[in-house]
Amino acid sequence: DAKTTQPNSMESNEEEPVHLPCNHSTISGTDYIHWYRQLPSQGPEYVIHGLTSNVNNRMASLAIAEDRKSSTLILHRATLRDAAVYYCIPLRGGDNDMRFGAGTRLTVKP
Amino acid sequence: EAGVVQSPRYKIIEKKQPVAFWCNPISGHNTLYWYRQNLGQGPELLIRYENEEAVDDSQLPKDRFSAERLKGVDSTLKIQPAELGDSAVYLCASRYRGRASGDAYEQYFGPGTRLTVT
Repeated sequence: DAKTTQPNSMESNEEEPVHLPCNHSTISGTDYIHWYRQLPSQGPEYVIHGLTSNVNNRMASLAIAEDRKSSTLILHRATLRDAAVYYCIPLRGGDNDMRFGAGTRLTVKP
Repeated sequence: EAGVVQSPRYKIIEKKQPVAFWCNPISGHNTLYWYRQNLGQGPELLIRYENEEAVDDSQLPKDRFSAERLKGVDSTLKIQPAELGDSAVYLCASRYRGRASGDAYEQYFGPGTRLTVT
């Protein structure tokens, strides 16, 4: 399994963009990069995933480095509801078992 | 569409007592997971079911933990007897796994059961 490194915590101001980095230098060529987040007192929820190209959805954007050794989750305008722990998880296509690290705790200040 | 349902949401028991957690996955989801999450850490997989078959239980402490998924729908996770170190949040998740390979489909998590063992 690929190992990941994420900052323990980050802070952002409301309505400003947030860039959450993840280092996954041991990722294999067939691993997708998944991001989940966990709001307080809730289970994790899917945010976005990608393989090589940058991806956008209604929640966020995912920028993947050309060498795929790192990626960045981008929240374009942080809101107070985005305060959560964000997990970056490499996962082989078709594989079932996600391995969560400690993630990054994002604090959003009004 | 209803999400993953778990009960109870909270449970406080004394050590050496038994405890059970129940999970109802999203309708049609054939893969079901149980995770344990300790304070300040990410979830840790305990067991995965494909329909009614447990296909990955390597992280389940088998001396005191057991799980079942009768008829491939609802699932129950049991601890007997509970120890102080079992205090954690127990999360259930489900996923639809199709026949085609390719990128993994997202997992849907329930709100969890917070267990406190005193």
